[in-house]
Amino acid sequence: AQKITQTQPGMFVQEKEAVTLDCTYDTSDPSYGLFWYKQPSSGEMIFLIYQGSYDQQNATEGRYSLNFQKARKSANLVISASQLGDSAMYFCAMREGPGSARQLTFGSGTQLTVLP
Amino acid sequence: DTEVTQTPKHLVMGMTNKKSLKCEQHMGHRAMYWYKQKAKKPPELMFVYSYEKLSINESVPSRFSPECPNSSLLNLHLHALQPEDSALYLCASSQVGRGLEAFFGQGTRLTVV
Repeated sequence: AQKITQTQPGMFVQEKEAVTLDCTYDTSDPSYGLFWYKQPSSGEMIFLIYQGSYDQQNATEGRYSLNFQKARKSANLVISASQLGDSAMYFCAMREGPGSARQLTFGSGTQLTVLP
Repeated sequence: DTEVTQTPKHLVMGMTNKKSLKCEQHMGHRAMYWYKQKAKKPPELMFVYSYEKLSINESVPSRFSPECPNSSLLNLHLHALQPEDSALYLCASSQVGRGLEAFFGQGTRLTVV
């Protein structure tokens, strides 16, 4: 079964508008972390935002916020005031379990295009 | 310094060649990772090193040989690769522990001819 599901292969948004990228996850582990990464065409994976399973509040980092709905197992990324430089592939990822060097499991990604 | 440096950025190699990919970080991270990424696909984990010891090998063919000489360096030795091994190879590092982000390098775009 898919651990991380991103159902939007591609999204378009007008410059200066807000956009929501969807992510649902599946885990039976009570301790997990959820991450969003941005990957421009250059290839580098850029960390955007993190939400821990025990965090009470939704994470925010500048124009990025994470809409965390634990009961629904969703962790959607909201980008406010989109900019042309936001055009990239966006990956949702999860790390399960405490301690040790645990790998990230990635979703299939959403290609975001910001239109001028 | 939150940088993970990978060299080379691009590599073209023949199927009989031996080459190495290098990764370096100076953030004091004790976990380092190799991922393989095909075009328009998510990264797939290959290897995890924790405290310079190999802790995860995701059934990667032996033509890929990782090495972690010290806590700052991670190598991936390549030998007798196949054209289907052409991909972006990403290195990452993180603290060892719950819920901490991994920092990625820019990757090496490998083409096997």
